[in-house]
Amino acid sequence: DQQVKQNSPSLSVQEGRISILNCDYTNSMFDYFLWYKKYPAEGPTFLISISSIKDKNEDGRFTVFLNKSAKHLSLHIVPSQPGDSAVYFCAASESEYSGGSNYKLTFGKGTLLTVNP
Amino acid sequence: KAGVTQTPRYLIKTRGQQVTLSCSPISGHRSVSWYQQTPGQGLQFLFEYFSETQRNKGNFPGRFSGRQFSNSRSEMNVSTLELGDSALYLCASRHEGASGNEQFFGPGTRLTVL
Repeated sequence: DQQVKQNSPSLSVQEGRISILNCDYTNSMFDYFLWYKKYPAEGPTFLISISSIKDKNEDGRFTVFLNKSAKHLSLHIVPSQPGDSAVYFCAASESEYSGGSNYKLTFGKGTLLTVNP
Repeated sequence: KAGVTQTPRYLIKTRGQQVTLSCSPISGHRSVSWYQQTPGQGLQFLFEYFSETQRNKGNFPGRFSGRQFSNSRSEMNVSTLELGDSALYLCASRHEGASGNEQFFGPGTRLTVL
């Protein structure tokens, strides 16, 4: 049972354009969402997060949008750069605050983003 | 601050053997989680340890076990290895009590079962 779904295994965009990565979830208890980026031979690195009380969070070129009613979130990268080429994982948690048994992160299967020069 | 370290980085074992993987969290982080990454399933949660106690567990068979030491270092053990256990095993640590569930990942141990 895939509670966090990233339906696009791969995405290819031109440098300078917008990259939009999508994520859907089914568990209504999820309260906090994160995006991680992973390069080959490295562990995932945290990119940006959003709490369910917000619908948008921005950090430089990265913006995450959350639509709770649709159980959908998206990551926008503008402008895209070749160094952004990596696998992007969407993750969800039942609690924003660490501690306790609700902490566990549930990840999607990832989307491979390729930004072409 | 040094990041999360995992040893060994690569490991080759045969079916039926057992394996132990090690993880050293970021200094001051007492929570350590383990994940399995495979091409077909993405990152799947194995378990989380905090203060030497397993606090949360994913849906993996009992062949997968772990422990945490008083210095927060953690080990993960897989017994009676199967071909399907070939994967990248990732360890992540975080600071308990901080807002935001940001975990910091190590580079992983690539396990190949022949």
